Amino acid sequence: DAEITQSPRHKITETGRQVTLACHQTWNHNNMFWYRQDLGHGLRLIHYSYGVQDTNKGEVSDGYSVSRSNTEDLPLTLESAASSQTSVYFCASSDQGARTQYFGPGTRLTVL
Amino acid sequence: QKEVEQNSGPLSVPEGAIASLNCTYSDRGSQSFFWYRQYSGKSPELIMSIYSNGDKEDGRFTAQLNKASQYVSLLIRDSQPSDSATYLCAVNPANNDMRFGAGTRLTVKP
Repeated sequence: DAEITQSPRHKITETGRQVTLACHQTWNHNNMFWYRQDLGHGLRLIHYSYGVQDTNKGEVSDGYSVSRSNTEDLPLTLESAASSQTSVYFCASSDQGARTQYFGPGTRLTVL
Repeated sequence: QKEVEQNSGPLSVPEGAIASLNCTYSDRGSQSFFWYRQYSGKSPELIMSIYSNGDKEDGRFTAQLNKASQYVSLLIRDSQPSDSATYLCAVNPANNDMRFGAGTRLTVKP
């Protein structure tokens, strides 16, 4: 069955370290998204991609980067982790032209 | 003003009752509207989408959209304890990025 996976599921890191969160989907979807979820804020869009080599900034992109080298993967990199980036991160994907997004299981990141 | 607003709750209803969840949005150009359900510690899952004014029914769920009032709601009939979750309203504004509300926590008491 097609699915979307994230790894690691839990990560603890220190301030200033570089961290990469993986997202892999086997739906063959063109569109992929990264969100963070914090109490009181709901889901906020970090970056998104509409296809290979395409990346776009979302509403909370500062301190994050993504690259899209193939259809299946959209890794999210925190260049220098900050305590404010402690959150639950969700990856999602959708088919080209479709609005419905399917979410991965999430990664809980703690920055100490 | 937040782009998508929901009452955070908690909303508590007895089993078998109708649960009514509400959402307002700020961008008049929004075209697509969604309701996601999220159980504690899990990822959001889509339960309803609606694109035109009026009601859309799917089993025990009914989504209602009023674009003039910039208002979308979700009704859950015959509420069950398994419906206890956080419900997220999501809107596609004119610029195509999805915007989510903070969610309403629903508790259905047996």
